[in-house]
Amino acid sequence: DARVTQTPRHKVTEMGQEVTMRCQPILGHNTVFWYRQTMMQGLELLAYFRNRAPLDDSGMPKDRFSAEMPDATLATLKIQPSEPRDSAVYFCASGLVYEENTGELFFGEGSRLTVL
Amino acid sequence: KNQVEQSPQSLIILEGKNCTLQCNYTVSPFSNLRWYKQDTGRGPVSLTIMTFSENTKSNGRYTATLDADTKQSSLHITASQLSDSASYICVVTPNGSGANNLFFGTGTRLTVIP
Repeated sequence: DARVTQTPRHKVTEMGQEVTMRCQPILGHNTVFWYRQTMMQGLELLAYFRNRAPLDDSGMPKDRFSAEMPDATLATLKIQPSEPRDSAVYFCASGLVYEENTGELFFGEGSRLTVL
Repeated sequence: KNQVEQSPQSLIILEGKNCTLQCNYTVSPFSNLRWYKQDTGRGPVSLTIMTFSENTKSNGRYTATLDADTKQSSLHITASQLSDSASYICVVTPNGSGANNLFFGTGTRLTVIP
């Protein structure tokens, strides 16, 4: 049963600490997305990779957020230093995209981050 | 400005009753529209996808409709069950603008009570 796996599921940390979230996309998918979900804003795109290359990270605060995909089985989202306003659920999603036509996105279960 | 608006924001219905959720969008040009179901504490899961030429599509007790002329979609749930309690998110994909340009609604929170 192929699925997107995210770790950790929950993280509580103090302001200023570094947070790293990890995602294992579905094998064979060529795109990976990082989204942030809050009650007020809904789902917001943070970063987008195609074939491991970052194509769009305009949704991320560049000074503290970074997203990487060191290999096809791992995507990471790092926040350093974390702030209380970063508290949200972070979702990773993967899918197949051909010629800008987006197939179904498969979402992970999310990483719920609380920054105190 | 491309937007996706969903209504109502939240809805409570009795088990066994039907309900309809609305999604209005201004995204243009239009490629497709998806409805996702998101259970509490879980990630969104796709229910249906509709392209420009499709008017209706069913997935079990879920039926989605699309009027591309008025830019409206609805998700109808028949004979609701307690397990239908979730947030339902409408997502619109513009045509030819890249996979990163999906437009998400903020969702309708449905609660089914016994």
